[in-house]
Amino acid sequence: AQSVTQLDSHVSVSEGTPVLLRCNYSSSYSPSLFWYVQHPNKGLQLLLKYTSAATLVKGINGFEAEFKKSETSFHLTKPSAHMSDAAEYFCVVTSGGPTGGGNKLTFGTGTQLKVEL
Amino acid sequence: DTEVTQTPKHLVMGMTNKKSLKCEQHMGHRAMYWYKQKAKKPPELMFVYSYEKLSINESVPSRFSPECPNSSLLNLHLHALQPEDSALYLCASSHLDMMVYNEQFFGPGTRLTVL
Repeated sequence: AQSVTQLDSHVSVSEGTPVLLRCNYSSSYSPSLFWYVQHPNKGLQLLLKYTSAATLVKGINGFEAEFKKSETSFHLTKPSAHMSDAAEYFCVVTSGGPTGGGNKLTFGTGTQLKVEL
Repeated sequence: DTEVTQTPKHLVMGMTNKKSLKCEQHMGHRAMYWYKQKAKKPPELMFVYSYEKLSINESVPSRFSPECPNSSLLNLHLHALQPEDSALYLCASSHLDMMVYNEQFFGPGTRLTVL
């Protein structure tokens, strides 16, 4: 079975300081991992994905994540937070092997990022 | 075109009404998904369509009835809903591949309120 643990439900940073959102996963397969962002009353936007290529993944808006198999982690980072980064962030792992019937995703419980002036 | 569109943005309905949610994508994706999201929670998968056929139904009550008329359109028909069905309903789509996972692209959602 697959599972995702987002270690912080809320993170607060000052604008211009680094962001770290932590995610640990459990998977019976070689997983694919994603980070999605959701602004209030909006849909989910893909930030980045890991699919067994490079372990350091660069995404949109200056975000990146590193896949560490030994630590079963996929933490999201950004060097300098911007006010527009304030949102809910979901770490997601694929459930099971890829199929022709659509992919099931396992979502973490989310981390609310607050950015203060 | 790299977006998933959903209509309406907001919907208020009574428990005896019949309404439909609509989702559309023109990215050539052959998998489409319905999710339900309650406030402060992650999305919960409801249905998956693969090549216009229902492939996954996550034990959703029959008052929710999905339909995939063609490869670009996905509908969710609603009938006799309960107040606890009030939520944000998200549609998503993705490519299908037996070898790799493909990311899902999400629409902006329909905010449903059941009175």
